[in-house]
Amino acid sequence: QVQLVESGGGVVQPGGSLRLSCAASGFTFSSYGMHWVRQAPGKGLEWAAFIWFDGSKTYYADSVKGRFTISRDNSKNTVHLQMNSLRAEDTAVYYCGKDGSWAFDYWGQGTLVTVSS
Amino acid sequence: QSALTQPPSASGSPGQSVTISCTGTSSDVGRYNYVSWYQQHPGKAPKLMIYEVTKRPSGVPDRFSGSKSGNTASLTVSGLQAEDEADYFCSSYAGSNYLRIFGGGTKLTVL
Repeated sequence: QVQLVESGGGVVQPGGSLRLSCAASGFTFSSYGMHWVRQAPGKGLEWAAFIWFDGSKTYYADSVKGRFTISRDNSKNTVHLQMNSLRAEDTAVYYCGKDGSWAFDYWGQGTLVTVSS
Repeated sequence: QSALTQPPSASGSPGQSVTISCTGTSSDVGRYNYVSWYQQHPGKAPKLMIYEVTKRPSGVPDRFSGSKSGNTASLTVSGLQAEDEADYFCSSYAGSNYLRIFGGGTKLTVL
């Protein structure tokens, strides 16, 4: 069965950096695009970034563009989110999601990122 | 790109039907048949319930159905059950740059 397991969350000071990882299993990872979606405490979902199946193209929400970088390693079935210049408003649970039929058809359990001094 | 508009809350008694709306624009919901719906229980990850406006993934009860008219998509839950109490989010593809947008979410209460 499809499994997505995020890691790398934690507490970081404003202006700091953090790298999230998502380990995938149960499907042919190299055939699917992958997303990162975040959810601030008590708030709704916000799409953050997307990467093509082969890593050749990446897309970002305006709120993270220029600060976050999505990447993938198809040899390790892993997708990453490098987050730089973090702000308080980046505090959220970050989910990785598999792209399927123009939807997020599978989600990980999420990893919490807290930006605070 | 603005978020899609959902009512903050909805409710119904067990066995009843409830419909949740999701209003976008002619650039997203109205243009593409790529609306999806997600159920999220407290402290849990979202779960895909409907994709491509009307399609149900394997394992999702047929009590859940989706539709669209113009710039508004809808999720209908029939025969409400206690376990349907959750937050529901809609999402749409919005064209260029593989942009996805979400609604603000609707808290469904089973009375």
